[in-house]
Amino acid sequence: EDKVVQSPLSLVVHEGDTVTLNCSYEVTNFRSLLWYKQEKKAPTFLFMLTSSGIEKKSGRLSSILDKKELFSILNITATQTGDSAVYLCAGAVALGGGSQGNLIFGKGTKLSVKP
Amino acid sequence: EAGVAQSPRYKIIEKRQSVAFWCNPISGHATLYWYQQILGQGPKLLIQFQNNGVVDDSQLPKDRFSAERLKGVDSTLKIQPAKLEDSAVYLCASSLAVTLVDRNEQFFGPGTRLTVL
Repeated sequence: EDKVVQSPLSLVVHEGDTVTLNCSYEVTNFRSLLWYKQEKKAPTFLFMLTSSGIEKKSGRLSSILDKKELFSILNITATQTGDSAVYLCAGAVALGGGSQGNLIFGKGTKLSVKP
Repeated sequence: EAGVAQSPRYKIIEKRQSVAFWCNPISGHATLYWYQQILGQGPKLLIQFQNNGVVDDSQLPKDRFSAERLKGVDSTLKIQPAKLEDSAVYLCASSLAVTLVDRNEQFFGPGTRLTVL
């Protein structure tokens, strides 16, 4: 059965700290790995990772994928209170015939950044 | 660019009643997804459409859930009859690509929070 496991499930840090969120996956016909940020509403897209070893960056956030070890990490440097959210990791399934399949989500990591 | 629209935003019903949710994807997005997100869990796919055809509905409880995407644009998800365990947020998402491309991220709507009493 396909699964995505995130750790830790929750994390409390202070502003300015650096955090690393972990995601391991077992997804049949794996296509790519995605990170989303979810506050009190719908998930918003952060990164899509398809190739191993290539870091993607966006401001203070960065992420990398290891397709050999089947995991990804999301780093947030110099955390701010606005980073408080649930961070979801999802494996994208490739369907046959060239179609894009669905996302298998982990349970998320709840990050709380204290002032 | 307008995002994915969903309505209603909140719905409270009693068990055994029916309910319907509506989703309007981003213009031009071929693929539409319905997810169920139970509190404390990640979203779980219920059904995926590509244009107006069903690509994957393997996790849709077909005895009570149904969905359609007439004309390949808007979609509705229905639950009849509802059970207590159906209480969740129902998220609609859409993506641009029909085939595998590197930028095929899914964009989510605000969700409908369903409470079944």
